[in-house]
Amino acid sequence: DADVTQTPRNRITKTGKRIMLECSQTKGHDRMYWYRQDPGLGLRLIYYSFDVKDINKGEISDGYSVSRQAQAKFSLSLESAIPNQTALYFCATCGSEQFFGPGTRLTVL
Amino acid sequence: AQSVTQPDIHITVSEGASLELRCNYSYGATPYLFWYVQSPGQGLQLLLKYFSGDTLVQGIKGFEAEFKRSQSSFNLRKPSVHWSDAAEYFCAVKGGGADGLTFGKGTHLIIQP
Repeated sequence: DADVTQTPRNRITKTGKRIMLECSQTKGHDRMYWYRQDPGLGLRLIYYSFDVKDINKGEISDGYSVSRQAQAKFSLSLESAIPNQTALYFCATCGSEQFFGPGTRLTVL
Repeated sequence: AQSVTQPDIHITVSEGASLELRCNYSYGATPYLFWYVQSPGQGLQLLLKYFSGDTLVQGIKGFEAEFKRSQSSFNLRKPSVHWSDAAEYFCAVKGGGADGLTFGKGTHLIIQP
């Protein structure tokens, strides 16, 4: 089984809808991260969490929120999706290095 | 704040030829440096990492990278590329804190037959 899983893998939604992307890990790591990837821009950090009670904003947190339900689960929410949030979203955990999930491709129409 | 520059957006190399992908970073202290590869439609796979010690780092799939502090560089090399190496390559840096990685914009590697 994969160490870091993301659901859904693909999602198409409409402007204004609330969307939640979920991430689970079996690595036992305390640190978890959400990134978005846009063509030609690389990956940019949205939010990160050191543990269940410690949530921090990253470089591009506006329009996003997160929830750390347990050590193993870290969810990313778009409260009111907009088209420029169309991107590939990656969850990662961190021990001595970062381990990435397979990504969620989100399209906002 | 740290930053990473990958000067080459696209690189085309013939199969069997050598490869060097450039990466320059900006960070005040000794950084942690990484190279990741992303195949089409796939997630990111770690090729290699540098934390300290020997400045020449060996990775998976025959890749290596050399940390040069004087040049603020961490270039990725492979002596002979294979068609399966065609992918997007990302250099990343991590500072002393635990606030995630800063990525370059990536280099798209094309392999010619």
